[in-house]
Amino acid sequence: GQNIDQPTEMTATEGAIVQINCTYQTSGFNGLFWYQQHAGEAPTFLSYNVLDGLEEKGRFSSFLSRSKGYSYLLLKELQMKDSASYLCAVRLSGGSYIPTFGRGTSLIVHP
Amino acid sequence: DAGVTQSPTHLIKTRGQHVTLRCSPISGHKSVSWYQQVLGQGPQFIFQYYEKEERGRGNFPDRFSARQFPNYSSELNVNALLLGDSALYLCASSLQGQGQQPQHFGDGTRLSIL
Repeated sequence: GQNIDQPTEMTATEGAIVQINCTYQTSGFNGLFWYQQHAGEAPTFLSYNVLDGLEEKGRFSSFLSRSKGYSYLLLKELQMKDSASYLCAVRLSGGSYIPTFGRGTSLIVHP
Repeated sequence: DAGVTQSPTHLIKTRGQHVTLRCSPISGHKSVSWYQQVLGQGPQFIFQYYEKEERGRGNFPDRFSARQFPNYSSELNVNALLLGDSALYLCASSLQGQGQQPQHFGDGTRLSIL
């Protein structure tokens, strides 16, 4: 089966840096997505990693290590509006390319 | 440009009833996927359609069915509703059915079963 693990909840202070980890054990791998989902809203795309290494996009960066089955999302200069659920999703290989989502990490940013 | 639109936004049904949820993808997108999201969980894949053909099916019972129309819009049908079907149903579209393009999600239909 497919297994994607993320911490359930994290808290951080406004202006700080937070790292949200995702580990996966899947039958095949064809890339990893990070999505942000505010309460009651649709998930929005943040990043996509298919090769090992760090991808930086403004305040958000995403890292992938395929050999370790590990990714993280790094959020810098946290703002209150960053309080949301962060979803890790693995795109499996083998024809379907449908992303399989983890349970999501609820991030609470406090003043 | 309009994003992915879903209707209705909210729906209340009773056990045993039938429901149809609708989705219009972003203009130019040919792939539509449906997900079920229970509170506190990540989205669970139900169906993917590309060019009006089913490309993938998740682990859901036969009570769940879907189709895609020539204009690439899609419907998700659920028969014999159960209390456990209460969830947010998300539709996502992408340019193609595969590749690196991210999926763009609609705001979802919140379905409550009484």
